Amino acid sequence: EAGVVQSPRYKIIEKRQSVAFWCNPISGHATLYWYQQILGQGPKLLIQFQNNGVVDDSQLPKDRFSAERLKGVDSTLKIQPAKLEDSAVYLCASSPGTGGLDTQYFGPGTRLTVL
Amino acid sequence: QKEVEQNSGPLSVPEGAIASLNCTYSDRGSQSFFWYRQYSGKSPELIMFIYSNGDKEDGRFTAQLNKASQYVSLLIRDSQPSDSATYLCAVKGGATNKLIFGTGTLLAVQP
Repeated sequence: EAGVVQSPRYKIIEKRQSVAFWCNPISGHATLYWYQQILGQGPKLLIQFQNNGVVDDSQLPKDRFSAERLKGVDSTLKIQPAKLEDSAVYLCASSPGTGGLDTQYFGPGTRLTVL
Repeated sequence: QKEVEQNSGPLSVPEGAIASLNCTYSDRGSQSFFWYRQYSGKSPELIMFIYSNGDKEDGRFTAQLNKASQYVSLLIRDSQPSDSATYLCAVKGGATNKLIFGTGTLLAVQP
């Protein structure tokens, strides 16, 4: 079974530029998550989708970050404009979304460097 | 107070020893507890999870919960150099039902 796929793996941009990340979850997983992991910290949830609806985006900086999950499968996360403090690894995870334990499986991440 | 706290380490143990990793959590309503391993430059990988009703052993790994003290531990027996990584504790349930991660503990197993 294929895991969570993310692209690109690395991105370097200058501040005020825009950037987009793509994620394809494990087949059949209803729930998709985007996390931000700053160096030396644990992952922080940015947004959670259940199918194509948003469950939690309370920690998403909505003035610059946006995310969508059209058709309830793959998802894109966009930052516009980027700031220096956005430099981090952006992790996508998915889970079956069947309630109970609902274990999350992580993709390889996209390492963003903002100069 | 942080929601999930871990000592950042590094925790250094000799090969073959028992490594003991700990985390504390603040939300008394938390229901499930996870340990992820993260190698440098890689994404988190689930090692174990436990519910609030008991401990769990899986091979060399044992996860234990002390609900009264709001404390979760991961024991790694017969530690190997390949166990060297950052171990992230994550807690779910309670007020938000989100998975909340600690900052991780860096484990270094010395050959």
